[in-house]
Order: sequence, then structure tokens, then C-alpha cells
Amino acid sequence: EAEVAQSPRYKITEKSQAVAFWCDPISGHATLYWYRQILGQGPELLVQFQDESVVDDSQLPKDRFSAERLKGVDSTLKIQPAELGDSAMYLCASSPQAGTSASEAFFGQGTRLTVV
Amino acid sequence: RKEVEQDPGPFNVPEGATVAFNCTYSNSASQSFFWYRQDCRKEPKLLMSVYSSGNEDGRFTAQLNRASQYISLLIRDSKLSDSATYLCVVNKGNAGKSTFGDGTTLTVKP
Repeated sequence: EAEVAQSPRYKITEKSQAVAFWCDPISGHATLYWYRQILGQGPELLVQFQDESVVDDSQLPKDRFSAERLKGVDSTLKIQPAELGDSAMYLCASSPQAGTSASEAFFGQGTRLTVV
Repeated sequence: RKEVEQDPGPFNVPEGATVAFNCTYSNSASQSFFWYRQDCRKEPKLLMSVYSSGNEDGRFTAQLNRASQYISLLIRDSKLSDSATYLCVVNKGNAGKSTFGDGTTLTVKP
């Protein structure tokens, strides 16, 4: 069964350092999402790509976060500098076509980030 | 007030019990609705969509009440394996922007 691949699974970093997460969506999926989930809360959308274009990054803290999907396939989410409050699970999801809802999105296992 | 609100629980029920969760949403323009299940420290997985006419999948029944702006999930004959957090998701339209609730935690006990 096709899966969304994310790496690393776990990351511990010191505050003020840079950190990057990688996501490889299911082959052929045009839409890619990055979510952040703080313990005890639901996932919060950070950025949504349609192919290589950003269609929604309204909740992305652009002073320190950046995301790219250069060839419209895999994607990288970067945080620089990391802050203690960035500790969370970072989830990537993909869906097969434009304009679909989260119902058709498939999530990766996530990257659990701890900032110390 | 959050756009999507759920009772966090926890709901602790015995095996075989029937349990129901509600989720309220504030945007009357919301168009589609879903329930996801999330096991501890795992990724969310789609449980079922919620249709206007209501829908059933085995022991699970989902319903939508647009007038009162809430959706519900009913689980009959609870199993130990149903223990998880249930996330309500509300979608505003074709742009695909979805808002998750914070989840309701269910623990089914022997």
C-alpha cells in the first residue's frame, strides 16, 4: 500500500538552530499539506501545495518557517531559528487532486520535534 | 471561540457500550465534514465522511445537523480497539482548507 514518507521520525534540536523535515507524498498526488500538531490539540494547517505552487500559507510563521516543493513532488519544511514553542508533531499529508478536502488526504507518520 | 469545537473527554466506557460524540462548527458556509481517528502518537486516519443524509459504516454512524451546526459520531457495541482520539474535520469548500477539532478521547475498558 502506498504511503506518505516522512523523515526524520524524531528530531531533537537546540533553540536557535535550524531544522528541516522532508516529505515524499504518494506518487501522483498533486496536493501536499504540512500540518503542525501540538500535544492535546488537533492538527493545524501550515501550508498547502498544489503541485509546486503554494495555495495556502496563511498560518505559516513566515519569519522563521519556510516550505518548498520545487518539482511538485517531495517537499521540505524548514524552521530557522527553532524556538521552544516549536516542539510538536509535524505531519505531512497528500491527496490525489486539486481542491479536495482532508477526507482524501493520507497522512505520513510525522516528525516529532523537540526543541531544547 | 474556536471554529471547530469538541468535548475533549475522556469518555471511559465498558466494552459493548454505545457512545456518541458531538462536534460543533461556527462557519455556516462549511460544506463538508469528516471524522478522523488518531491513535496515541500516530498519524490521523480517515474514519468516515459525514453526509447530509447521514451515513453508517458497520458500528459507526455519522450525522450532520446543518441548522444547529453540529456533526455527531455514534459508536455501537464498543470494542477495546476503538480506544483512540476522534477528530472532527470541517471543510470550507473546494479550496480544500480543512479545520480540525482538538479531538475527543475514548477509552473502552474490559
